[in-house]
Amino acid sequence: AQTVTQSQPEMSVQEAETVTLSCTYDTSESNYYLFWYKQPPSRQMILVIRQEAYKQQNATENRFSVNFQKAAKSFSLKISDSQLGDTAMYFCAFMKLNSGNTPLVFGKGTRLSVIA
Amino acid sequence: DTAVSQTPKYLVTQMGNDKSIKCEQNLGHDTMYWYKQDSKKFLKIMFSYNNKELIINETVPNRFSPKSPDKAHLNLHINSLELGDSAVYFCASSPQGSEQFFGPGTRLTVL
Repeated sequence: AQTVTQSQPEMSVQEAETVTLSCTYDTSESNYYLFWYKQPPSRQMILVIRQEAYKQQNATENRFSVNFQKAAKSFSLKISDSQLGDTAMYFCAFMKLNSGNTPLVFGKGTRLSVIA
Repeated sequence: DTAVSQTPKYLVTQMGNDKSIKCEQNLGHDTMYWYKQDSKKFLKIMFSYNNKELIINETVPNRFSPKSPDKAHLNLHINSLELGDSAVYFCASSPQGSEQFFGPGTRLTVL
């Protein structure tokens, strides 16, 4: 079974600064995706970024980027130029790939507060 | 245009009652899911359906019964509600081998 660990229950960052959220995972699968989802107070789950395990290049989406270390099974999220709207719970998630769709396995989340 | 919708968004009910949560997606995805988010914000899969067929049924009490009348709908019926069922329930859908799109969630409170 796969597990996802987020070791930082809470973090805070000053507006316009950079913050990194940690995530490690455990799997024996070779084909999988990793995701970061954001859950603001509105409780909507919003996809922030995704990474295919077969790709060596780290994914980026505007101010969001990941550091994917496949051998170390590490998948951290870097948020640059933090904005007040980034305040949310952030969940790291794993999805194995097979012939059909499989559900997401989530970490316990990191609550990020952006301070003005 | 709402991609994945759930009704109701809030549900408050008494212990022992039976209730349903409806989910619809207009994305044309084949696979739909139900997740439960507990009071500590932990998200866990409950059920997964592919083209109206049950694929995954995690360790969920049989008081929970999903029903998929067609591939755009996945409803969740809960019998004999208990205090511990209080949570936020999320419906999601996905195309083949890609990320999942979530509904807005239904906050269920059992009194």
